[in-house]
Amino acid sequence: AIQLTQSPSSLSASVGDRVTITCRASQGISSALAWYQQKPGRAPKLLIYHASILENGVPSRFSGSGSGTDFTLSISRLQPEDFATYYCQQFNSYPVTFGGGTKVDIK
Amino acid sequence: QVQLVESRGGVVQPGRSLRLSCAASGFTFRTYVMHWVRQAPGKGLEWVALISFDGNNKYYADSVKGRFTISRDNSKNTLYLQMDSLRTEDTAVYYCARETIVAARAHDFWGQGTLVTVSS
Repeated sequence: AIQLTQSPSSLSASVGDRVTITCRASQGISSALAWYQQKPGRAPKLLIYHASILENGVPSRFSGSGSGTDFTLSISRLQPEDFATYYCQQFNSYPVTFGGGTKVDIK
Repeated sequence: QVQLVESRGGVVQPGRSLRLSCAASGFTFRTYVMHWVRQAPGKGLEWVALISFDGNNKYYADSVKGRFTISRDNSKNTLYLQMDSLRTEDTAVYYCARETIVAARAHDFWGQGTLVTVSS
């Protein structure tokens, strides 16, 4: 199975900061990567698919990049509602797998 | 509007069985690939299984293969997860999730989740 390693596992940031989360795949997955945001007690919400395509309705401060094995989720100016846990997921091959998550909390 | 509503989970003893269902509405269910994803308390997301739009193709995580069965009834717009030989490590919130219909794959809609607790 393809392993996805997210880093960092947690980070503290302030409103207005730029935040970058990385996701590294154990083998190449082309661009078959999605990013999700999850808040406590809620289902995950799709942010980005195909590594860099913003889902409808997601603010433009979110962006994704990468292909192959190295991917990045960036939040340009962190807003109060962005404090959450973020997950990457690969669909290149079965079994589908998720990264371990990155918790973004308030500094 | 798209809705995915999972059935109530509950507490079940190790070794017993439980079937979850997910009622879909607001979209043409029979044209979408569907998935189950779970999340153990305080842990990350774990993909469980998927089923093709027509039910002919199914894939499972190694952790549930041979014990869980995903199925669907397109006439009832309902997705199922039959969970047999349950283990304590299967305790989790179980989500059904729709896969995007575009070529680029992702889960664009999720149910609210249902908690399954495996405990004696």
